[in-house]
Amino acid sequence: DVKVTQSSRYLVKRTGEKVFLECVQDMDHENMFWYRQDPGLGLRLIYFSYDVKMKEKGDIPEGYSVSREKKERFSLILESASTNQTSMYLCASRGTGAYRPLHFGNGTRLTVT
Amino acid sequence: DAKTTQPNSMESNEEEPVHLPCNHSTISGTDYIHWYRQLPSQGPEYVIHGLTSNVNNRMASLAIAEDRKSSTLILHRATLRDAAVYYCILRDDNTNAGKSTFGDGTTLTVKP
Repeated sequence: DVKVTQSSRYLVKRTGEKVFLECVQDMDHENMFWYRQDPGLGLRLIYFSYDVKMKEKGDIPEGYSVSREKKERFSLILESASTNQTSMYLCASRGTGAYRPLHFGNGTRLTVT
Repeated sequence: DAKTTQPNSMESNEEEPVHLPCNHSTISGTDYIHWYRQLPSQGPEYVIHGLTSNVNNRMASLAIAEDRKSSTLILHRATLRDAAVYYCILRDDNTNAGKSTFGDGTTLTVKP
């Protein structure tokens, strides 16, 4: 089974801190995604990457950046965390091909105080 | 990306069939229809996908309209464990990554 692992289940950070959320997948997938999920707003795409060192903005990239130095790892970076970035963050990966399913991690619940 | 529209919520009784609708009137010829569900405190999980023909797997069936502008996820006998948020999305690989965008989904409540 494909495994997508997010480094932390729960994280509490202070306003202004630099925050790293890490995601690792074990199936050699080319494509990786970061979403955030908020009540009433569903899943919103922040960034995605289709290859090492390649990235594209999703629907809500403001306040975030990403890094993909190795194929299996995709990091989401909050340069200066703010309280409105308190959310559930979900990482996903998939192989190439529109029929290939997304595989999600179990999420990181980030609280910024 | 083409958008999908789903009802916000649906209810079902346990052991009865459930039909979850999805409208995607702007679907393109290369879009696959994917369904995912999200159980409480978990990430979404893949359920089923299709392009033109109806599809069956161990979890569910997918019925796709002839004009492909709508589809229906069918759970043949709902159980309490099927209570979840169900997402219908379209996937197109004409771009490099085939961006996957989720809507609000349908919250399914299963009553015992």
